[in-house]
Amino acid sequence: AQSVTQLDSQVPVFEEAPVELRCNYSSSVSVYLFWYVQYPNQGLQLLLKYLSGSTLVKGINGFEAEFNKSQTSFHLRKPSVHISDTAEYFCAVSELTGGGNKLTFGTGTQLKVEL
Amino acid sequence: EAQVTQNPRYLITVTGKKLTVTCSQNMNHEYMSWYRQDPGLGLRQIYYSMNVEVTDKGDVPEGYKVSRKEKRNFPLILESPSPNQTSLYFCATRQGQGNQPQHFGDGTRLSIL
Repeated sequence: AQSVTQLDSQVPVFEEAPVELRCNYSSSVSVYLFWYVQYPNQGLQLLLKYLSGSTLVKGINGFEAEFNKSQTSFHLRKPSVHISDTAEYFCAVSELTGGGNKLTFGTGTQLKVEL
Repeated sequence: EAQVTQNPRYLITVTGKKLTVTCSQNMNHEYMSWYRQDPGLGLRQIYYSMNVEVTDKGDVPEGYKVSRKEKRNFPLILESPSPNQTSLYFCATRQGQGNQPQHFGDGTRLSIL
């Protein structure tokens, strides 16, 4: 069964500093990987996804993530954060198998950007 | 505009009083799913539906029912709610298979007293 680990429950960072949110996954088969963002009182929005091909994936709002198969990781990065990036970020994995290609989420990382 | 609409957005109710949370989408997506979000646990899938009249259990289905009589609607039913079902609930839809992203509603916050 697939699983996702987000080791950091909270990440405080100053505005304009770089940030990395860590995500590791476990699966016995090939996977699709996603990062979603949740702003207060809203649903989740897709930031970016990795399906195949280039391991560096660029998303919206200046975010990017790198797929590392050997380390089973999919860390999210942004070189310079803004106050408006304050939100909760979820890493998710979908296996290429039956069962509706279930999406399994990590427990989330709260990014707090401070002045 | 592509939308997933949940109602109600907020509900406070009492143990044992049946309730339904509606979910409607205008994207003609075949796949729909319900999740609950709890602090420290992320999102966990309750039920999903691959198409009309096709539903299946997710990871935490106990105490919930769903139906999919038409493509656009996927209501979540709590026949006899209990306090441990107090949570934030999300409906999501998806076009095609698991390589496609899911589109989420704005959530329904349920409090069961």
